[in-house]
Amino acid sequence: DAGVTQSPTHLIKTRGQQVTLRCSPKSGHDTVSWYQQALGQGPQFIFQYYEEEERQRGNFPDRFSGHQFPNYSSELNVNALLLGDSALYLCASSFQEETQYFGPGTRLLVL
Amino acid sequence: QKEVEQNSGPLSVPEGAIASLNCTYSDRGSQSFFWYRQYSGKSPELIMFIYSNGDKEDGRFTAQLNKASQYVSLLIRDSQPSDSATYLCAVQYSSASKIIFGSGTRLSIRP
Repeated sequence: DAGVTQSPTHLIKTRGQQVTLRCSPKSGHDTVSWYQQALGQGPQFIFQYYEEEERQRGNFPDRFSGHQFPNYSSELNVNALLLGDSALYLCASSFQEETQYFGPGTRLLVL
Repeated sequence: QKEVEQNSGPLSVPEGAIASLNCTYSDRGSQSFFWYRQYSGKSPELIMFIYSNGDKEDGRFTAQLNKASQYVSLLIRDSQPSDSATYLCAVQYSSASKIIFGSGTRLSIRP
């Protein structure tokens, strides 16, 4: 049984560009949450998707947007990249309100 | 005041000893409490969760929760070099809400 998967594993972009990160939840899970983890910090909640809708959102600007597809997979889009967006982006999946499990993450470097 | 506070460490413990990790949280209404282990360059891995006051044991790990003092701890018995990692304390207000993480405590087990 595959766990949470994310792609790509690493990504290098330049300031002002746009990026799309992808997440496939663990089999049987229907809820996807996205987190940003800067170096030396704990993960910060970006938003959560359930039934293809954004259910909750953290304190992130509108440059951060997402989507959930009918198969429960999800995308995180970041527009107009800033140097400060460099971080590990984590996707976590759960079955509704149960425990969240993290994927391996996508490491984004903005130059 | 941060919502979830942890001592950043590093906490150095001799092999075979008990490692004690502590965490305090600010929202008295928090319901669920988690400990994640994160190796360098990897994503967080859930090792314990606790919902009720008292102790919860799982193998070498014991989580302790004191809601009156807004305090969560993790004890690791018979510490092994493989336990060297950053330990993230996380808190959830309700089962459907976002998870709030502390910045983590770096634990180093010395042979």
